Amino acid sequence: EDKVVQSPLSLVVHEGDTVTLNCSYEVTNFRSLLWYKQEKKAPTFLFMLTSSGIEKKSGRLSSILDKKELFSILNITATQTGDSAIYLCAGNAGNNRKLIWGLGTSLAVNP
Amino acid sequence: DGGITQSPKYLFRKEGQNVTLSCEQNLNHDAMYWYRQDPGQGLRLIYYSQIVNDFQKGDIAEGYSVSREKKESFPLTVTSAQKNPTAFYLCASSKLAGVGADTQYFGPGTRLTVL
Repeated sequence: EDKVVQSPLSLVVHEGDTVTLNCSYEVTNFRSLLWYKQEKKAPTFLFMLTSSGIEKKSGRLSSILDKKELFSILNITATQTGDSAIYLCAGNAGNNRKLIWGLGTSLAVNP
Repeated sequence: DGGITQSPKYLFRKEGQNVTLSCEQNLNHDAMYWYRQDPGQGLRLIYYSQIVNDFQKGDIAEGYSVSREKKESFPLTVTSAQKNPTAFYLCASSKLAGVGADTQYFGPGTRLTVL
């Protein structure tokens, strides 16, 4: 059965800390892995990663995928209170194009 | 200004009533999806459609129905058969080919409360 597991489920840090969020996956016909940030409303897209292993970066956020170990990490450096959100990870099952979602990591950044 | 719109933002329904949630996109995406989100359970797929006049059940389709008569529109009906309809409903869309294919983009959501 396809599954995506995120850890930790929740995390509390202070502004300026660096955090690493984890996502392991077992997805049939894997095509890609996606990271999203969800604040009060809808998830917003952050990164798409493939088995190429190429790191993706955007400002203080970066992400990479290890195709051998079947996991991905999302790093956030110099965290700010605006980074407080739920971070979702999803694996793309290529055979039917559905996304297999993890439960998310709830990040709270305290001033 | 391309995007996905959902309406209404908040919806209250009495038990036993059917209700339809609207989802429209002007991104020219082929695929559209409906998810339900409950606290601690992540996103669960209700229905999805990859082409007009065709759709497939997701993991929790019971008590829901959809239609895809136009590429831009994918309304979801929550029927009285749905036992626990109170939830946050999210609509998403994606391309199926080309750069960025399969990246799903979400509407703002509809919060449904059954009284």
